[in-house]
Amino acid sequence: AQSVTQLDSHVSVSEGTPVLLRCNYSSSYSPSLFWYVQHPNKGLQLLLKYTSAATLVKGINGFEAEFKKSETSFHLTKPSAHMSDAAEYFCVVSDPPGGSQGNLIFGKGTKLSVKP
Amino acid sequence: ETGVTQTPRHLVMGMTNKKSLKCEQHLGHNAMYWYKQSAKKPLELMFVYSLEERVENNSVPSRFSPECPNSSHLFLHLHTLQPEDSALYLCASSQESMGARNTIYFGEGSWLTVV
Repeated sequence: AQSVTQLDSHVSVSEGTPVLLRCNYSSSYSPSLFWYVQHPNKGLQLLLKYTSAATLVKGINGFEAEFKKSETSFHLTKPSAHMSDAAEYFCVVSDPPGGSQGNLIFGKGTKLSVKP
Repeated sequence: ETGVTQTPRHLVMGMTNKKSLKCEQHLGHNAMYWYKQSAKKPLELMFVYSLEERVENNSVPSRFSPECPNSSHLFLHLHTLQPEDSALYLCASSQESMGARNTIYFGEGSWLTVV
């Protein structure tokens, strides 16, 4: 069965410092992996996705994530945090082919705080 | 603007009321979804409609009743809800094809409070 674990429920960084949000997944298949961001009182916005192409995926707003099969990880990074990055971030793995189309397995989320 | 519009954005209803949440997507997608987001819980998939046919139910209580009249519109009809149903309800859409893992686009959600 697919699963995803976000290792930190809350991460706090200072503005201008690097961001690392950790995610590990479990999958019997070659997974598709996503990071979504949710700002306060907003819906979820896709940051980036991995679908078996390049292992280093670049997303919007300067974020990127690296798929590491040997570590079953898909950590999200950004070199320099901005105040507007404060939000909740969700790591997501998709159902395998032949399963429920579009059924996504969501992590519990990591809340990112950015201090001035 | 994600191309998925939900109304109302906020709804307060009593346990004996009947109300509906509405979702409209302007992306030409053929699949639509309802998700429930409760505090401190992962997102839960409630319903999936693909080509206007329901393909996933996930054992949702019958007090939630979805309706998909066409590929652009999705409703969630609510009746005799419980306070624990208070949550953010997210609508989403995607373009589905066999074996393809396509990106899901979310609306901004409808905040539901049951009193």
